[in-house]
Amino acid sequence: AAGVIQSPRHLIKEKRETATLKCYPIPRHDTVYWYQQGPGQDPQFLISFYEKMQSDKGSIPDRFSAQQFSDYHSELNMSSLELGDSALYFCASSLQTGLAGFEQFFGPGTRLTVL
Amino acid sequence: AQSVTQPDIHITVSEGASLELRCNYSYGATPYLFWYVQSPGQGLQLLLKYFSGDTLVQGIKGFEAEFKRSQSSFNLRKPSVHWSDAAEYFCAVGAVNAGNMLTFGGGTRLMVKP
Repeated sequence: AAGVIQSPRHLIKEKRETATLKCYPIPRHDTVYWYQQGPGQDPQFLISFYEKMQSDKGSIPDRFSAQQFSDYHSELNMSSLELGDSALYFCASSLQTGLAGFEQFFGPGTRLTVL
Repeated sequence: AQSVTQPDIHITVSEGASLELRCNYSYGATPYLFWYVQSPGQGLQLLLKYFSGDTLVQGIKGFEAEFKRSQSSFNLRKPSVHWSDAAEYFCAVGAVNAGNMLTFGGGTRLMVKP
């Protein structure tokens, strides 16, 4: 079965640079979530989108922005990168249909390293 | 706001032994509860979920969990652990008043001795 696809899988950037992470949800899933998992930490919710509109917002820094496109894929844009942004960034997708919205399928993650 | 606590950061069990990973949640209404497993460098895989109904839920890979409202707990169990079960396990809660976002516990790292 098709799963959530994230690209790139690994990314190395310098401080103050920008980065763009991409997420392709499971086919027919209309909702996308972004989570950040720091080293040895639990995943923290950043932001979610449903039908191209921002749905919920968590602890996402102002330096980050995200959007969902008409094909439901999503991009997380990160600017003025800081050392503390080094983390594993997960994308998850679900169907926004009642309880199914809580059943989130996670991608393999993008490991961002900021030097 | 909802929260999840996993009291055990590390647990080591012998292969073939039984396993119980603890999870306590804080939420005012009936929560939606999940257990995810994460192998090193990998994404999160859903093991099982509880929405309502039978408080004992079965998941994949032989795992089960029991929702106990009186104890605000959702402990994960497996009768006989395999070496391939070594991984990080996360309990998570979803709440109807918080969109569909999941709040995760700190995780429990399971190590399996031969």
